[in-house]
Amino acid sequence: AQSVTQLGSHVSVSEGALVLLRCNYSSSVPPYLFWYVQYPNQGLQLLLKYTTGATLVKGINGFEAEFKKSETSFHLTKPSAHMSDAAEYFCAVSVNSGYSTLTFGKGTMLLVSP
Amino acid sequence: DSGVTQTPKHLITATGQRVTLRCSPRSGDLSVYWYQQSLDQGLQFLIQYYNGEERAKGNILERFSAQQFPDLHSELNLSSLELGDSALYFCASSGTGTAKETQYFGPGTRLLVL
Repeated sequence: AQSVTQLGSHVSVSEGALVLLRCNYSSSVPPYLFWYVQYPNQGLQLLLKYTTGATLVKGINGFEAEFKKSETSFHLTKPSAHMSDAAEYFCAVSVNSGYSTLTFGKGTMLLVSP
Repeated sequence: DSGVTQTPKHLITATGQRVTLRCSPRSGDLSVYWYQQSLDQGLQFLIQYYNGEERAKGNILERFSAQQFPDLHSELNLSSLELGDSALYFCASSGTGTAKETQYFGPGTRLLVL
């Protein structure tokens, strides 16, 4: 079975600062990895995903994440935070088979101050 | 807008009652997933359907059931409701072929059991 650990339930940054949200996974088979964002009172929006190939993946809104197999990590970064980035971010893993379900981390709330 | 629709947006009911949540997947998607999001349990997978048939089951209570109809919309039935069933219920859908590993989420149905 797979699992996801997101370090830090809350992360605070200043506008313009680097955003780093940490995600570590556990999987006995090659994983698919995802980051989703949830704005208040809204559904989950896909930010980016890693399936195979290039380990550095770019997503929407300037976010990117790097798959590091040796560290079992998939940390999410953005060079410069905007106020509009304030939201809850979820890391998720599924295994490399058809129609696999997602296992989510507990989420990290990103707070951005002016 | 992910293309996944869910109705109703909000639902308030009493303990012991039964409710039905409805989901329409993105056009062309055959797979539908249901997830529950609560403060204490986080985001948890409930059940998956593919082209009308149950494909996978997660932490779904026996009081809960689901089905997917020939037009591919899905319904999640929650019965004998308890206070602890209050949560946000999400539906997601995924495509076929190389698109099958990515799930797109609807806006959710917020259920409040009083």
